[in-house]
Amino acid sequence: KAGVTQTPRYLIKTRGQQVTLSCSPISGHRSVSWYQQTPGQGLQFLFEYFSETQRNKGNFPGRFSGRQFSNSRSEMNVSTLELGDSALYLCASSLEASLPGELFFGEGSRLTVL
Amino acid sequence: GQQLNQSPQSMFIQEGEDVSMNCTSSSIFNTWLWYKQDPGEGPVLLIALYKAGELTSNGRLTAQFGITRKDSFLNISASIPSDVGIYFCAGQRAGTASKLTFGTGTRLQVTL
Repeated sequence: KAGVTQTPRYLIKTRGQQVTLSCSPISGHRSVSWYQQTPGQGLQFLFEYFSETQRNKGNFPGRFSGRQFSNSRSEMNVSTLELGDSALYLCASSLEASLPGELFFGEGSRLTVL
Repeated sequence: GQQLNQSPQSMFIQEGEDVSMNCTSSSIFNTWLWYKQDPGEGPVLLIALYKAGELTSNGRLTAQFGITRKDSFLNISASIPSDVGIYFCAGQRAGTASKLTFGTGTRLQVTL
């Protein structure tokens, strides 16, 4: 059974640009959530999508957005990039019937903003 | 953003030793979880706890959900080299689905 797949794995952008990250969940998983991981702030929840609807949102500015498609694949977008957006962005999927907190993470997309 | 307080921040232990780490919060959670992250990988769920006072084991790992619902601890017995990594606690509140609040992490290094 394939795991959560994130693309791209690494990318470099400059301030002011925008970026789109993609996540393919485990087959059958309809919930996709996104987390930002940095050395200073640790793992922070960005948002969660279920059946193409945002179900929960963390405390991030509006520059961070996401969406989910009918096949459960998800994308997140960061516009007007800032240096502080450099981070590992992790996607996680879960079954609706999963026990609370049982998330399966991908390997992440490492974004560097110059 | 909020992070849970996890201690110790890092630890060096010898193979075969037991390890203890704990996590505390100023607010209560309905679920406590422990994840492990290896370099270049995403976190992997080790143990989940759903009831205050619950003690759960997974092989050499044992975790407990604090009675106040504001803390949890993880024990690893007879550590082995593959236990190396960063361990994160995480808390989840009722009705928040996949929204987890993670701890600051404990980096474990094992010497032979």
